[in-house]
Amino acid sequence: EPEVTQTPSHQVTQMGQEVILRCVPISNHLYFYWYRQILGQKVEFLVSFYNNEISEKSEIFDDQFSVERPDGSNFTLKIRSTKLEDSAMYFCASMRGDTGELFFGEGSRLTVL
Amino acid sequence: QKEVEQDPGPLSVPEGAIVSLNCTYSNSAFQYFMWYRQYSRKGPELLMYTYSSGNKEDGRFTAQVDKSSKYISLFIRDSQPSDSATYLCAMSLEYGNKLVFGAGTILRVKS
Repeated sequence: EPEVTQTPSHQVTQMGQEVILRCVPISNHLYFYWYRQILGQKVEFLVSFYNNEISEKSEIFDDQFSVERPDGSNFTLKIRSTKLEDSAMYFCASMRGDTGELFFGEGSRLTVL
Repeated sequence: QKEVEQDPGPLSVPEGAIVSLNCTYSNSAFQYFMWYRQYSRKGPELLMYTYSSGNKEDGRFTAQVDKSSKYISLFIRDSQPSDSATYLCAMSLEYGNKLVFGAGTILRVKS
């Protein structure tokens, strides 16, 4: 069964460092998303991406964050200068486009020290 | 008032029981409703997807949406220990829009 894959599964970084989280969405999907979940809290929307541009973003997704789809398969989330409060699980998700079903990856756990 | 409310539990049931999970929401404009299962430190796994009001059944799972009451439910029949997880409701306003999640209900099914 096709799935959304994410790398790395866990990354530890120092405050102020740049981090890139990578995702390979399901191959025939057209809509791409990043969500995050701080330990013990709700899953929160960060950004959605369609047709090679951001279609919606939350107030969390400030200038420190950026997304890119550099080729036909990868979808990345970059955090330019990490803060302690960026420590969370980051989930990539994708949707085909003819149904509203959204499929999530297993997540990348980011720990900022 | 929170946009989506969900009792965090934990809800503990014996194996074989029927489980009822639910969420209430405040925004009557929500149209798309989903239930996800999340195991510890894993990604949400889509269980059920419904549009607007009505019922949908898939195996042991039944999802109900009552838009007039702003209330959605997930029923699990013949619950198994492997169903022990956190169940998340989620909803969106428009097709492809962001999902707004509930806090999740922890379910424990005892053998």
